[in-house]
Amino acid sequence: GQNIDQPTEMTATEGAIVQINCTYQTSGFNGLFWYQQHAGEAPTFLSYNVLDGLEEKGRFSSFLSRSKGYSYLLLKELQMKDSASYLCAVRDSNYQLIWGAGTKLIIKP
Amino acid sequence: DVKVTQSSRYLVKRTGEKVFLECVQDMDHENMFWYRQDPGLGLRLIYFSYDVKMKEKGDIPEGYSVSREKKERFSLILESASTNQTSMYLCASSPDAASGANVLTFGAGSRLTVL
Repeated sequence: GQNIDQPTEMTATEGAIVQINCTYQTSGFNGLFWYQQHAGEAPTFLSYNVLDGLEEKGRFSSFLSRSKGYSYLLLKELQMKDSASYLCAVRDSNYQLIWGAGTKLIIKP
Repeated sequence: DVKVTQSSRYLVKRTGEKVFLECVQDMDHENMFWYRQDPGLGLRLIYFSYDVKMKEKGDIPEGYSVSREKKERFSLILESASTNQTSMYLCASSPDAASGANVLTFGAGSRLTVL
């Protein structure tokens, strides 16, 4: 079957760096997405990786290794507003998205 | 700046009632999707549509139907609501399925409680 694994919850301190991991086993691969979802709000797009390597976008970076079935989202200079759930999703060979359960990130002052 | 609008944020219905969840997008996107989101689970696809009057079953279509009479509107219908359909329902849209990242834009969600 197809599976996306990510930690259920993580805690980090304001101003610090946190890495949220995502491992996947899917039928084919056509890109990996990270979305951010604040409580009670819509998920919003953060990043897209289709080739191996690091994609940097301001304080957020996303890394992909297709051979290892692994990605991470790196958040730097954490702010309180970064408290949210982070959803990892992989697009499979049928161009359907397979979603992880999300990682709830708690930022403490 | 709202791009995907779901008509109801919170609904409380009784078992057996017919429920309509409406979704409208203003980005002229071809593709529209209905997901449900439950604690501890990833988003699960109920139905999707790549064009007007077209619909495709997702992973969990049982107990649901959809309607897409206009490009901008995609409705989710629960013919006879049951308690196990209590959930957060998320509508999303995206541009052409075959091109690039094809990023989803989500609505704010409709939280349905079935008593």
